[in-house]
Amino acid sequence: GNSVTQMEGPVTLSEEAFLTINCTYTATGYPSLFWYVQYPGEGLQLLLKATKADDKGSNKGFEATYRKETTSFHLEKGSVQVSDSAVYFCALIDTGRRALTFGSGTRLQVQP
Amino acid sequence: DTAVSQTPKYLVTQMGNDKSIKCEQNLGHDTMYWYKQDSKKFLKIMFSYNNKELIINETVPNRFSPKSPDKAHLNLHINSLELGDSAVYFCASSQDQYGNEQFFGPGTRLTVL
Repeated sequence: GNSVTQMEGPVTLSEEAFLTINCTYTATGYPSLFWYVQYPGEGLQLLLKATKADDKGSNKGFEATYRKETTSFHLEKGSVQVSDSAVYFCALIDTGRRALTFGSGTRLQVQP
Repeated sequence: DTAVSQTPKYLVTQMGNDKSIKCEQNLGHDTMYWYKQDSKKFLKIMFSYNNKELIINETVPNRFSPKSPDKAHLNLHINSLELGDSAVYFCASSQDQYGNEQFFGPGTRLTVL
């Protein structure tokens, strides 16, 4: 079956530091890949997505590239802000299953 | 305007009770979902409806029964609540059943005492 593995958190960074959150996946076929963000007390918001190999998703300074050869979709940001503090979820969907499979989430804490 | 809304936001109840959570979307989407987020933040699909038809039914106890009166609404009824049902339940919707971009509601935090 499908699965998504994310790095354990929390990740604690100082403002303006570089962020990487690792995500690898196992899936049959060619899934679409997503990063969702959950701010405290809120629902999930789609941050970015990529639907095929070598696609790069980007939004709000965050980027992730769909790497089929390493089955990875790592999230990066060049300079984090305090307002980026949240839980980040890597997820995939394949057409056979039609529902998102989520990783366990990584909490990011950015200190001023 | 709220795209996906859920009521109530918080629900505290005793073991053995029956409760419902309601979800509405005003995006004109065809497909709606229920996800459960446990205390460790792990999210898992429970159900999905496409145009009022059940298309995903994961291994969920029979005490959970979704109902979709129309494609803009998906309610979740839970019978005989147990301690292990305590979680945050998220409703979501997508344009079609392939779910490539899902919009989530704010969640309902259910606490069973």
